[in-house]
Amino acid sequence: EAGVTQFPSHSVIEKGQTVTLRCDPISGHDNLYWYRRVMGKEIKFLLHFVKESKQDESGMPNNRFLAERTGGTYSTLKVQPAELEDSGVYFCASSQDLRERDTDTQYFGPGTRLTVL
Amino acid sequence: AQKITQTQPGMFVQEKEAVTLDCTYDTSDQSYGLFWYKQPSSGEMIFLIYQGSYDEQNATEGRYSLNFQKARKSANLVISASQLGDSAMYFCAMREGLYGSGYSTLTFGKGTMLLVSP
Repeated sequence: EAGVTQFPSHSVIEKGQTVTLRCDPISGHDNLYWYRRVMGKEIKFLLHFVKESKQDESGMPNNRFLAERTGGTYSTLKVQPAELEDSGVYFCASSQDLRERDTDTQYFGPGTRLTVL
Repeated sequence: AQKITQTQPGMFVQEKEAVTLDCTYDTSDQSYGLFWYKQPSSGEMIFLIYQGSYDEQNATEGRYSLNFQKARKSANLVISASQLGDSAMYFCAMREGLYGSGYSTLTFGKGTMLLVSP
């Protein structure tokens, strides 16, 4: 079974440009999460999708960040316009079913390292 | 206040020895879950082990075990018989609230870098 995949693995852009990150969750996982780790800080929650709906977006830093999950499959996270402080590693995770204990575990992708110059 | 505290920025251990990575947590919820993830240099986050707040027994997964002391709010990861491939960053994380509630955001600690030497 394929794990969570993310694209690209690295992205280097200039301040003011736009970047779109993609996440493909594990097949059949309704829950999809975005997290971010800024250099030297903890991994922080950004938002949570259940299928195509945003369940919780309380962690989104500002309106320059837009996440979508059309059709409840893959998700994209767009940063527009990017700022220097957006640099970090963006992780995506998915979980199967929050109603069942053993399937609550979130499985993470390899992350996208974003560098804004 | 920090919800997850990992006090050891780095740990060194010799191959085949056991090592304990510390994690303390802070929550007022009665129901919560504790997770450990491993992040090797390649960058992916690998799920290791899970402990539910109502679990009476400490969780074990192969060489990994979780020393859960609820009254002290600690959830230390014990790796037995360390291997060179165990060298990685280790993160402790907490999910507050009962699973099935619809909210399962993870809060992470800052991580502990473990280096295993031959």
